[in-house]
Amino acid sequence: SQTIHQWPATLVQPVGSPLSLECTVEGTSNPNLYWYRQAAGRGLQLLFYSVGIGQISSEVPQNLSASRPQDRQFILSSKKLLLSDSGFYLCAWRVKGLGTNEQFFGPGTRLTVL
Amino acid sequence: GNSVTQMEGPVTLSEEAFLTINCTYTATGYPSLFWYVQYPGEGLQLLLKATKADDKGSNKGFEATYRKETTSFHLEKGSVQVSDSAVYFCALRDSGGSNYKLTFGKGTLLTVNP
Repeated sequence: SQTIHQWPATLVQPVGSPLSLECTVEGTSNPNLYWYRQAAGRGLQLLFYSVGIGQISSEVPQNLSASRPQDRQFILSSKKLLLSDSGFYLCAWRVKGLGTNEQFFGPGTRLTVL
Repeated sequence: GNSVTQMEGPVTLSEEAFLTINCTYTATGYPSLFWYVQYPGEGLQLLLKATKADDKGSNKGFEATYRKETTSFHLEKGSVQVSDSAVYFCALRDSGGSNYKLTFGKGTLLTVNP
């Protein structure tokens, strides 16, 4: 069966520090991968998606970036965190070609920037 | 562009009360519609979905009917339980494109008291 992992589960970082959040998927190949952010009072916002290794599309301009170095690995990064980067970050995956078009979400990483 | 508007909470109900969470959408073409649920401290889980007009999605006693004429997908449950306390997200997936992006509403916090 397929599983999705995210780490760390929680993170507290000072303003201006770098960030690296990792997401890995098991049990599937060549999935579409997604990064969402859930900020307080703002719902879910799609940040990045990837349809393949090295292919990243950005939905919202900001100081975050994403990379997909391997088929089932998706990384969210920042060189210098801002206070506004605080939130709950969710990774999701979807199998290509299925008509059910469901996205499966990971457990999330709660980031607090102080 | 696509957008989803859902009833803002928080919603507080007593056990066995009737639940309605309104959701309306704006989209081109014929989107698929979803309700996701996020239990405290967890990621999102798909609750139900509908892929075409007049379809009814149902799961765990929850129902929602895809109404194209009113562009709505309201979530209902006849008798809520304490364990239903969670944040509920309405979402749509556009009918075009291969990346299957989801557009989410802001979420509605439901608290069910015993």
